[in-house]
Amino acid sequence: DGGITQSPKYLFRKEGQNVTLSCEQNLNHDAMYWYRQDPGQGLRLIYYSQIVNDFQKGDIAEGYSVSREKKESFPLTVTSAQKNPTAFYLCASSGGQGYEKLFFGSGTQLSVL
Amino acid sequence: GEDVEQSLFLSVREGDSSVINCTYTDSSSTYLYWYKQEPGAGLQLLTYIFSNMDMKQDQRLTVLLNKKDKHLSLRIADTQTGDSAIYFCAEKERKLIFGQGTELSVKP
Repeated sequence: DGGITQSPKYLFRKEGQNVTLSCEQNLNHDAMYWYRQDPGQGLRLIYYSQIVNDFQKGDIAEGYSVSREKKESFPLTVTSAQKNPTAFYLCASSGGQGYEKLFFGSGTQLSVL
Repeated sequence: GEDVEQSLFLSVREGDSSVINCTYTDSSSTYLYWYKQEPGAGLQLLTYIFSNMDMKQDQRLTVLLNKKDKHLSLRIADTQTGDSAIYFCAEKERKLIFGQGTELSVKP
């Protein structure tokens, strides 16, 4: 079955630590996205990539980094510079069909120890 | 700037109709969307409407678009307990902008 897989489901970060969230898709989609979800605030765009080896900052990129070395993979690193990392992180991909149907992974809940 | 607003909560009885409302600010939006999020899961696209349409119906779902008032609504007919979820509207011009989400609670 085609889909988008995020791991782990739950992740805990210690002070000063960088952590990496995985996102893999087998939908052959060019575009991939990372969103952060906080209660009552909807989804905010962190980074997006429209093609391999290229990515752009979204609205809240500070304290995060990404890479796009393969079409299938778009990992997100939450660095120690992100002072309030506790949130639900969602990865999505899109085939660029014009109406921008996004396929979402099941999310990673990141908490600070 | 671009903004999408939704009320945060809606509670209905099973079998009633639910109407979830959304307002947006960007008059150049090309598409408007409704996504559904079940607890602890990602979002799934329910339906979308092109900005030159007024209405779209898909089984129990009806989307109404009032471009003059920049108002979008999602009506769910014969609401079931399985419809309990958070519903997000989103608009697209350059990129997708999501509302805060409306939590729909369906009571038996």
